[in-house]
Order: sequence, then C-alpha cells, then structure tokens
Amino acid sequence: GEEVAQTPKHLVRGEGQKAKLYCAPIKGHSYVFWYQQVLKNEFKFLISFQNENVFDETGMPKERFSAKCLPNSPCSLEIQATKLEDSAVYFCASSQSPQGGYEQYFGPGTRLTVT
Amino acid sequence: KQEVTQIPAALSVPEGENLVLNCSFTDSAIYNLQWFRQDPGKGLTSLLLIQSSQREQTSGRLNASLDKSSGRSTLYIAASQPGDSATYLCAANSGNTGKLIFGQGTTLQVKP
Repeated sequence: GEEVAQTPKHLVRGEGQKAKLYCAPIKGHSYVFWYQQVLKNEFKFLISFQNENVFDETGMPKERFSAKCLPNSPCSLEIQATKLEDSAVYFCASSQSPQGGYEQYFGPGTRLTVT
Repeated sequence: KQEVTQIPAALSVPEGENLVLNCSFTDSAIYNLQWFRQDPGKGLTSLLLIQSSQREQTSGRLNASLDKSSGRSTLYIAASQPGDSATYLCAANSGNTGKLIFGQGTTLQVKP
C-alpha cells in the first residue's frame, strides 16, 4: 500500500496481559522501525528490521518486548505481561533505506492503555 | 550519544506571521535530519528531510536549513495560517541503522 498501516488503533489491556500490535509497511520499503511515544512528545526508538532480519534492537527492553517481521505477513510488536508504564502510543515507520535522502513514513499509531 | 533539543517548547503567533522553529543536536555526524508535524491524536507527517550534504530544503511555505558545524537546524514557516497549528518535531538520523533521535517538539498555535 501507499501508507503505513497499523492495527489496532486502540488496545486496552489489564496489567499482566499480553499485547500484540501490527504494522504493514509501504509496499517496496525494506526497512521497518518501531517507536514508542510516552507522554506528549517523548519518542523512543525500539527496534528496526531490514526485511525479516533484525537491523537494530538497541532500544528494545530486554524483557517482555519482542518483535518480528515475517515474509508476506504484517510486522508485529508483542509485549508480554504488560505493565502500567507500557501505556503509550506505538508508531511504526517504513523506509526504502536507513540513510541518505530516504524519509521514514509513519503510521497512525496504536494507543496502548494498560489498566 | 546524540541528543536533540527544540526551543521553544510552545509558540503562539497571529496569522500571517513568519516564524522560525529551532532544533539543535549534539553530534554533528548525522546522515540526515527530518522535520515532522504531529496533529493532536494523530501520527507523524513528514515535512522535509535534509541530507547531511545539503544546506536547506524547501516545500511550499516551509524552508528547513541545516548547519552541521554548529549542530543546528531551523524550520521557517512563511505567512503562517491557523491550519499550521500543530506540534513540530525534528529528528536526527546519526547512526547507520536509521534510528531517529527526536527532539521534544515545539507546539505551535496560529491565531486567526
């Protein structure tokens, strides 16, 4: 598609439950990035993929967070045993290249509320 | 470690004014810098991307400049309109993996 698609738009989970978020990148984009927006404007990089391979996972919490990009499937970000502090908007972005003149295009985000 | 700062945090101007939003970064070794707009409750819309070899980029009423030596970028908005009201974020791409480091944003209000 021509836009990054994210589902669901909203997700509510009780503390300790699992949350799974999905992202379909723009067709032809090989790179997928996940970011977490906590509070109003604090963006944190989580992980990136080059096709189905992890490209950079330096921002991923070591526990409870995992992500995958499998061929012919939307990418996913999964949080096991959610905590209140995981409440945030999770954005996915895609790009043709991680460098140079290639922009990252962002999806509309998934708002996760942990109660 | 790259850090990005945006000043001011909020700005209110009357319609028609020209304005400048500032973005500074601590590590001048960047691949590119991207400016985004975020409307309340929405995602990020890419406005302009400046590559490290470029000095400025223009799109319509927007002009972004980049000065790597001083660690600064500015977003100039000409003849502001109420529809320009939003939060503007700059993000530096300084690693070879495309990881964007974001500033805290400037929330702009343009009053009719």
